[in-house]
Amino acid sequence: KAGVTQTPRYLIKTRGQQVTLSCSPISGHRSVSWYQQTPGQGLQFLFEYFSETQRNKGNFPGRFSGRQFSNSRSEMNVSTLELGDSALYLCASSLPQGVNTEAFFGQGTRLTVV
Amino acid sequence: DQQVKQNSPSLSVQEGRISILNCDYTNSMFDYFLWYKKYPAEGPTFLISISSIKDKNEDGRFTVFLNKSAKHLSLHIVPSQPGDSAVYFCAASDSGNQFYFGTGTSLTVIP
Repeated sequence: KAGVTQTPRYLIKTRGQQVTLSCSPISGHRSVSWYQQTPGQGLQFLFEYFSETQRNKGNFPGRFSGRQFSNSRSEMNVSTLELGDSALYLCASSLPQGVNTEAFFGQGTRLTVV
Repeated sequence: DQQVKQNSPSLSVQEGRISILNCDYTNSMFDYFLWYKKYPAEGPTFLISISSIKDKNEDGRFTVFLNKSAKHLSLHIVPSQPGDSAVYFCAASDSGNQFYFGTGTSLTVIP
């Protein structure tokens, strides 16, 4: 069974630009969540999608947005990039709500904003 | 507000000894708890979990303990091995598919 796939693995962008990250969940997983990891901040929850609908949202500005497609693949977009957006962005997929199960993570996309 | 806290950013343990990683949470609605292990440049990998109906779960060298009254969980690794050196994150869920993660504890096992 293929794992969670995130593309690209690395990105370098300039301040003010926008970026789109992609995540393909494990087959059969319909819940996809996004996290930002920065040194000392752990994994900060961005948002979670299920059946193409955003169900949960973390405390991030509106520059961070996402969407989910009918095949459960998800994209995350960050507009007007700031230096502080440099981080490892992780995507995780899991079984639907009500099932106690772990989230499976991709290897992440390392975004550097210069 | 950080609902899951790992107050020790780092821990060093001698090979063969016990490693104890601690985690505290504030939300009494959390009913499922997990530990993840993360190596540099990789995504976190699931290690072990525990439901709120239990107070202990064991898997090989890894045991997770849950104290609901204290809102505290811990991960015990015994015996510790150099390959266990990684960052460990605890996480909690209220069955809503949102996982709340701590800030991580970097474990170094010294050969």
